[in-house]
Amino acid sequence: EPEVTQTPSHQVTQMGQEVILRCVPISNHLYFYWYRQILGQKVEFLVSFYNNEISEKSEIFDDQFSVERPDGSNFTLKIRSTKLEDSAMYFCASSELLYRGEGYTFGSGTRLTVV
Amino acid sequence: AQTVTQSQPEMSVQEAETVTLSCTYDTSESNYYLFWYKQPPSRQMILVIRQEAYKQQNATENRFSVNFQKAAKSFSLKISDSQLGDTAMYFCAFMKGGSGNTGKLIFGQGTTLQVKP
Repeated sequence: EPEVTQTPSHQVTQMGQEVILRCVPISNHLYFYWYRQILGQKVEFLVSFYNNEISEKSEIFDDQFSVERPDGSNFTLKIRSTKLEDSAMYFCASSELLYRGEGYTFGSGTRLTVV
Repeated sequence: AQTVTQSQPEMSVQEAETVTLSCTYDTSESNYYLFWYKQPPSRQMILVIRQEAYKQQNATENRFSVNFQKAAKSFSLKISDSQLGDTAMYFCAFMKGGSGNTGKLIFGQGTTLQVKP
C-alpha cells in the first residue's frame, strides 16, 4: 500500500536554528498538509498546499514557517528560527482528491525536539 | 468556526467487550465529513472510519461502527469485540465539504482507550 514518508523520524535542534522537515507524499496525490501534535495533546492543522501554493493556513503558521514542493516529489516544512515551544510531533499528509474526504494518508511523523 | 469535542480523556474496556467513544461537533456547514483516527503508541495516524454527512446510514468497518446523529451533532464510535491491539488514542475529526474545502481536518482532544486482558 502506498505510504507517505517522513524524514527524519527524530530531529534535535538548538533554539534559534533553522530546521527543515521532509515528506514524500504519495505519488499521484495533489493535496498536501502539515499538522502538529504537542506531546499528548490534540493534533493541530498547520497548512494545506495545492497547485504549488498554500490554500489555507492556521494562526500557528506564522512568518517563521514556510512550505515548499521543490522538485515535484518532496514536500518540506521549514521553521526559520526554532523556539522551545516548537517541540512537537509534525505529521505530513497527502490526499488525491478532496471529494468525500477519501484517501487522506498520514506519514509516521517527525519528532522535533528544540533544546 | 468548526469545533470538535471529545469529553472522555480516558476509557478502558475488557478484552472482547464493547466500548463507545463520544464526539460532538459544532458547525454551520451542511456538507461535511467526519472521521475517527486511531493513534497507537507508534504515533502513526490511522483512519478507522469515515462518514459523509449527507448519508443517513451509519458507516461500519468490521468491528467499528459509528452512531451519527446529525441533528444532535454527535458522532460516536463503537468498538465491538475489543482487542488488545485496539489500545490507542482515538481522535474524532471534521472536514468541511463542498466549495472552499481545502482538506483541513479539525481534530478533537482525543480519547485514550486501554483494552485490558
